[in-house]
Amino acid sequence: GDSVTQMEGPVTLSEEAFLTINCTYTATGYPSLFWYVQYPGEGLQLLLKATKADDKGSNKGFEATYRKETTSFHLEKGSVQVSDSAVYFCALIGFNDYKLSFGAGTTVTVRA
Amino acid sequence: EPEVTQTPSHQVTQMGQEVILRCVPISNHLYFYWYRQILGQKVEFLVSFYNNEISEKSEIFDDQFSVERPDGSNFTLKIRSTKLEDSAMYFCASTPGLAGAGQETQYFGPGTRLLVL
Repeated sequence: GDSVTQMEGPVTLSEEAFLTINCTYTATGYPSLFWYVQYPGEGLQLLLKATKADDKGSNKGFEATYRKETTSFHLEKGSVQVSDSAVYFCALIGFNDYKLSFGAGTTVTVRA
Repeated sequence: EPEVTQTPSHQVTQMGQEVILRCVPISNHLYFYWYRQILGQKVEFLVSFYNNEISEKSEIFDDQFSVERPDGSNFTLKIRSTKLEDSAMYFCASTPGLAGAGQETQYFGPGTRLLVL
């Protein structure tokens, strides 16, 4: 079945550092790929998405590119802020499918 | 901006009791979902619901669970006889359509934290 493997955390960074969270997937066909973010004490918010190969999703300074050849969707941000401290989840949904499959989540802490 | 809402935000119950978790999906959405997240673990799919019936369910969604859309706005998850291991954050989500139709983004509510004692 479909699955997502995500870089394990926790990750601790200083403000303005570069952040990368690796995500690879296994799926049949052409899934849509997502990054969701969960801030402390809150629910899941969509951060960005990409629906086909070579698409780049971006939002709030975060970017991820759908790489079919490496089955990856790595999340990057060039300069993190304390407010980016959260848990980040990579997820996929198969074509005409109903359910999201999530990675294990990566906890990111940014220190001032 | 429209959003998914869930009530209650927190619920504490005794083992063996029935609980009903409530969700109001975004109004023009057609597909509804429940997921759960046990503390420190990944978010897991429970069930999807379309046109007043279950379209897919996971192996977690056993006979103790049921879902219902009792009216035009609410979507509920019932756990008939709670167990300790049902303690988790439960998220409701909705989408206007399915992946492949460009409507695959699932919008999540803030969650209900259920604690079974």
